[in-house]
Amino acid sequence: SQQGEEDPQALSIQEGENATMNCSYKTSINNLQWYRQNSGRGLVHLILIRSNEREKHSGRLRVTLDTSKKSSSLLITASRAADTASYFCAGGGYQKVTFGTGTKLQVIP
Amino acid sequence: EAGVTQSPTHLIKTRGQQATLRCSPISGHTSVYWYQQALGLGLQFLLWYDEGEERNRGNFPPRFSGRQFPNYSSELNVNALELEDSALYLCASSLGLASYNEQFFGPGTRLTVL
Repeated sequence: SQQGEEDPQALSIQEGENATMNCSYKTSINNLQWYRQNSGRGLVHLILIRSNEREKHSGRLRVTLDTSKKSSSLLITASRAADTASYFCAGGGYQKVTFGTGTKLQVIP
Repeated sequence: EAGVTQSPTHLIKTRGQQATLRCSPISGHTSVYWYQQALGLGLQFLLWYDEGEERNRGNFPPRFSGRQFPNYSSELNVNALELEDSALYLCASSLGLASYNEQFFGPGTRLTVL
């Protein structure tokens, strides 16, 4: 079963708006990673936040992690049409990484 | 530097046949991971190989197996194919344990079982 669950399952926004995706997980983790997947192709790593970190930034990406609530959020600011993709969170636990079901983001030009 | 490569890109088989998928990790990466992604779904962890040994496997039947070669490339074998095995199979490699480090993914092999 999937450890992570993303919310919402699908999100449609206008170009320039911010997109926020949430992820919840069930067991303890060493880190929480976010990946992007374009049109059923391979995944691209976006950002990794360790369990002792609360917030991390990378360009237009901002990730938060709340280990007490077992949740994380990914914020994409000033979205672009090229950000249209599926986004997955992945919990790095003991001996494996468990992916969530993903959020499908559509950015309308 | 070459990324993770997978072959073939597409594979069409009939029910009951065997499928072999191949993966070459990034140079220097010793860990290889296999995932199954059925249409419209998230990634399901299949297998993890490191230093030539199977370190962990997901909740899949024994007809899903694989191996890792001395050069760290890996092979995934699926025996007695069933229709529900149709999916995108993704391979990833990492420098060290993926639970601590980012994974680098290949483009995937799309397996279709007729």
